[in-house]
Amino acid sequence: ILNVEQSPQSLHVQEGDSTNFTCSFPSSNFYALHWYRWETAKSPEALFVMTLNGDEKKKGRISATLNTKEGYSYLYIKGSQPEDSATYLCAFMTSYGKLTFGQGTILTVHP
Amino acid sequence: DTEVTQTPKHLVMGMTNKKSLKCEQHMGHRAMYWYKQKAKKPPELMFVYSYEKLSINESVPSRFSPECPNSSLLNLHLHALQPEDSALYLCASSQETGGRGYFGPGTRLTVT
Repeated sequence: ILNVEQSPQSLHVQEGDSTNFTCSFPSSNFYALHWYRWETAKSPEALFVMTLNGDEKKKGRISATLNTKEGYSYLYIKGSQPEDSATYLCAFMTSYGKLTFGQGTILTVHP
Repeated sequence: DTEVTQTPKHLVMGMTNKKSLKCEQHMGHRAMYWYKQKAKKPPELMFVYSYEKLSINESVPSRFSPECPNSSLLNLHLHALQPEDSALYLCASSQETGGRGYFGPGTRLTVT
């Protein structure tokens, strides 16, 4: 069983606040770490796929970092907007192709 | 076209029924996946197809039978399901195994 842990489970912030969440994963058999954004009644949408230790990726106000040696990734949102409200899932991909999702962080941004 | 389509959107079936879920993508992706998602839980991987061959079966009961008739289509055949199999079934595809996943909207299955 692969343990992929995300924290916090849920987060309420005010519009304009910056926020971050954590994903921890096993450091063995690592192939890639995925971040997805899942809005209610929509399909999960891939934000980032990260493969190299020390990787940093950015998409607009959202960025992510990766530490494969210690087994964690951070997702940052700068200047949160109500439309950022969603569940943010990380997923650990092993070298043999299995993708295991964390429980997700539910973000609510209040206007 | 960056879309993964799934049909039907909703399905209600009895425990003795046989039904199939369908997934289609036209992005030329060579890896396709079935996930099961129960309420308030993350998606759980069921099957992975790579180049139309089954590469991962996550010890899924045989009442779920996947099929990949060609590189664009992925089916999930259902037979003799149990009420606890009620869930959202998500299909996804990626360029290669391990790549960025594109998810379909899912089929909401209810087993009565």
